[in-house]
Amino acid sequence: EPEVTQTPSHQVTQMGQEVILRCVPISNHLYFYWYRQILGQKVEFLVSFYNNEISEKSEIFDDQFSVERPDGSNFTLKIRSTKLEDSAMYFCASSEISLGRLDTQYFGPGTRLTVL
Amino acid sequence: SQQGEEDPQALSIQEGENATMNCSYKTSINNLQWYRQNSGRGLVHLILIRSNEREKHSGRLRVTLDTSKKSSSLLITASRAADTASYFCATDTGNQFYFGTGTSLTVIP
Repeated sequence: EPEVTQTPSHQVTQMGQEVILRCVPISNHLYFYWYRQILGQKVEFLVSFYNNEISEKSEIFDDQFSVERPDGSNFTLKIRSTKLEDSAMYFCASSEISLGRLDTQYFGPGTRLTVL
Repeated sequence: SQQGEEDPQALSIQEGENATMNCSYKTSINNLQWYRQNSGRGLVHLILIRSNEREKHSGRLRVTLDTSKKSSSLLITASRAADTASYFCATDTGNQFYFGTGTSLTVIP
């Protein structure tokens, strides 16, 4: 069964450094998403991406963040100048459109980001 | 905000019993989905119910949706120890999802 994959599973970085989290969505899906979950807290929407551009973003997704689909398979989340509070689990998800409506989102296993 | 709220926050039952979790939300939705998360792991999609549906079944799962009350419930029947996890509802208002705070379910063998 197709699945969303994410790499790395765990990323440790120093405060102020840049990190790139990678995701490979399910191949026939058209919408891509990033979420984060700070330890012990709820899952929060960051951004959705369609047709090579951001379709929606939350207030969390500020200038520190950017997303890119550099090729036909990868979907990346870049965090510039990481802060301690960026430590969280980051989930990628993808979905297709059926009957003109967005369908189920399929989530990757997540990347645990630790900022020291 | 659209934030969903699940209740109870935590639920502990004996294996074989049924578990019911509720989700409330604030604005109109296209669909509502329930997800499961084992500790420290990724989210697994359980079931999607569209705004024009009232009830949906999938195996031991039964989901109801009451758009007039802006609420949904997830029933897990004949629970098993392996059902121990956190369960989240997510409301879809278009192409953005809002996750609830989750219900932590513990099934005692």
